[in-house]
Amino acid sequence: SQELEQSPQSLIVQEGKNLTINCTSSKTLYGLYWYKQKYGEGLIFLMMLQKGGEEKSHEKITAKLDEKKQQSSLHITASQPSHAGIYLCGADRVSGNDMRFGAGTRLTVKP
Amino acid sequence: NAGVTQTPKFQVLKTGQSMTLQCAQDMNHEYMSWYRQDPGMGLRLIHYSVGAGITDQGEVPNGYNVSRSTTEDFPLRLLSAAPSQTSVYFCASRRANSYEQYFGPGTRLTVT
Repeated sequence: SQELEQSPQSLIVQEGKNLTINCTSSKTLYGLYWYKQKYGEGLIFLMMLQKGGEEKSHEKITAKLDEKKQQSSLHITASQPSHAGIYLCGADRVSGNDMRFGAGTRLTVKP
Repeated sequence: NAGVTQTPKFQVLKTGQSMTLQCAQDMNHEYMSWYRQDPGMGLRLIHYSVGAGITDQGEVPNGYNVSRSTTEDFPLRLLSAAPSQTSVYFCASRRANSYEQYFGPGTRLTVT
C-alpha cells in the first residue's frame, strides 16, 4: 500500500458545487504539499502545510492539516471548469529532499 | 526564465537500448529530482541531488543513473531500457531553503 492515500480517486462535479479531497498518511507528517496537474503537463505547486491545525487558502482552494490524524483535506468552493485536473498530495520524509506523493485525485468539473 | 526544461517530450525505445533524458533549470536551484508517474501510482522519486557533485537514490532507483556536474543540468540515464520503464518522467527543482518545487513538462517514454 502507498504511504499517502488519496480519496476519492476521481470526482465529477457540476460547476458551482463544493468538493473535498482527502490525503491520509501512514507515517508522521513533516510537511504536506498540494499540487495540481493539468492533463499532460507538469505539476504546479498550490500550498504547503506544516503545523497541525494549519489552514491555507489559494483563491477558492483551502487546505487544512490535521496532524494528529496524519491527514490533510483540500476543499474547493464554487468549483469552475478551470479547477479541473489531477490534485496530488506530497509529503516530506525526514531525510529532506525525498518526497513521496499520493496517487492523485482526478477532478472533472461539468459546465 | 525558462524554468525547468526537459527533452525530449516523447521517446520510443526498444528493450535493451540506452538513452539519456535531459533536464535543465535556469533558476540556480540547488535541489533537483527525477520522478516517474505511472497510472494509479502517483509520482515516485527515482534520484535526487542537493547540489553539484552530490546525488542520492530515491524510492525506485534501479535501472537508472544520474550525475550532477553543474547546478543547471541533471540528466537521467537509462542503462538498458525495459518495458517496465514505460512511464512519464518529470524533473523538478527547488531552492535549498524553499519547499516549493518547480516541475518540468515531462517526457513520455515508451519501451517496446
